[in-house]
Amino acid sequence: GAVVSQHPSWVICKSGTSVKIECRSLDFQATTMFWYRQFPKQSLMLMATSNEGSKATYEQGVEKDKFLINHASLTLSTLTVTSAHPEDSSFYICSARPDWISSTDTQYFGPGTRLTVL
Amino acid sequence: AQSVSQHNHHVILSEAASLELGCNYSYGGTVNLFWYVQYPGQHLQLLLKYFSGDPLVKGIKGFEAEFIKSKFSFNLRKPSVQWSDTAEYFCAVSSMEKLTFGTGTRLTIIP
Repeated sequence: GAVVSQHPSWVICKSGTSVKIECRSLDFQATTMFWYRQFPKQSLMLMATSNEGSKATYEQGVEKDKFLINHASLTLSTLTVTSAHPEDSSFYICSARPDWISSTDTQYFGPGTRLTVL
Repeated sequence: AQSVSQHNHHVILSEAASLELGCNYSYGGTVNLFWYVQYPGQHLQLLLKYFSGDPLVKGIKGFEAEFIKSKFSFNLRKPSVQWSDTAEYFCAVSSMEKLTFGTGTRLTIIP
C-alpha cells in the first residue's frame, strides 16, 4: 500500500512552453503533498508544500508564478512549470503524507519526473 | 535553517563487508531523523526513522542507525552488506513538518 505515482515519467519540451506534472496517491488520501527538485548528484530540495483546498506554501527562492501548484483533490496534486527554460531542466519528485497516519513526518515518494527543456 | 551533511559521496565495498555511512545535521531544536534508500530506477523508500526513545533504531533489510545527540549524528550501519544493497542513500532531518535531505551517498557493492 501507500503508492504514489507521477505522470509523465519523462518529458521533453521546447523553451517557453509550459509543462504539467501530476502526482497521485493511488491507495490513500493525502491532504498534504510535497514537491521536490533534484539536480544531478545533488540532494532533493523542497520546493513547496501543497495542501488540498488551499494555496501552496513555497520555500524561499522558489518562484510561485513559475511553478504553479494545484491540489484539487485528496489524491491529486499538479505542478506546472510555466514558460520553461533550460535551467528548469531537472528531476521533480513529489511525496504524499497519508491522512490516516498520525505521524506528521511520514511521506511516501513518487518515482519522479525528468524534465528536459530544449 | 537546518542542514544535513553526508561526507561520503561514493562508497565501494565488497559483499559481506560492514557498512557505516555518516550523517551529521545542524539544527538547534527537536528533530526527527530518517534514512531513505533509492535503488536504481526506483523511488525513494524509507529505511528507518528516529523520533524519540531508544537512540538505536532498526530498519528494514538489516539496517540500523544510532542517534547521538551530542554529536548531532545519525549514522547508518549494516554488519554485512549484500550486492542488492547497491543504491543511493539519503539522510534526512525533519522539523516543522519539512524534510531536509543530505546530498546522498552512492553505495556500490562488489560481488
